[in-house]
Amino acid sequence: KAGVTQTPRYLIKTRGQQVTLSCSPISGHRSVSWYQQTPGQGLQFLFEYFSETQRNKGNFPGRFSGRQFSNSRSEMNVSTLELGDSALYLCASSLAGAGGQNEQFFGPGTRLTVL
Amino acid sequence: GNSVTQMEGPVTLSEEAFLTINCTYTATGYPSLFWYVQYPGEGLQLLLKATKADDKGSNKGFEATYRKETTSFHLEKGSVQVSDSAVYFCALSDVYNTGNQFYFGTGTSLTVIP
Repeated sequence: KAGVTQTPRYLIKTRGQQVTLSCSPISGHRSVSWYQQTPGQGLQFLFEYFSETQRNKGNFPGRFSGRQFSNSRSEMNVSTLELGDSALYLCASSLAGAGGQNEQFFGPGTRLTVL
Repeated sequence: GNSVTQMEGPVTLSEEAFLTINCTYTATGYPSLFWYVQYPGEGLQLLLKATKADDKGSNKGFEATYRKETTSFHLEKGSVQVSDSAVYFCALSDVYNTGNQFYFGTGTSLTVIP
């Protein structure tokens, strides 16, 4: 079974630009979550999508948005990039349903650098 | 609210040494607890999990016991190897959460030297 894939793996942008990251979950997984990982803050939850609906949202500004398609693939978008947005963005997928017993499977991440 | 606190790193050990990485949590509901490991250049992988009090998760020689009375989930391994060098994350997810939101600790970097 193929794992979670994320594209692109590396991205360099300049301040003010916008960026779109893509995540393909494991087949059969309907929940997709996004995390921002930085050395100082660790992993911070951005949002979770389930059946094309945002089910949970972390404490990030509105510049960060996402969506999920009918095939469960997900994209996240960051508009008006700031230097502080430089980070590793991780996508994780899990089986349907709520509650903490479902393991999250992580992709390798997209390394975003904002210059 | 929900949060996880894990011991600061980095941790450097000699091969075959005993490892303990402390993790404590705060939760409003009934959390499941996890340890994830991240090898250089890779995403996170589940190492072990425990879903209720007194459960012991184990995998690849690593163990952690869900202690509700001390709100802890410390990771242990009796004899570390160089290949165990990685960053370890403790995490929780609330069983009664409406979604799959995980709360992660800040990570503990482990380096094992031969």
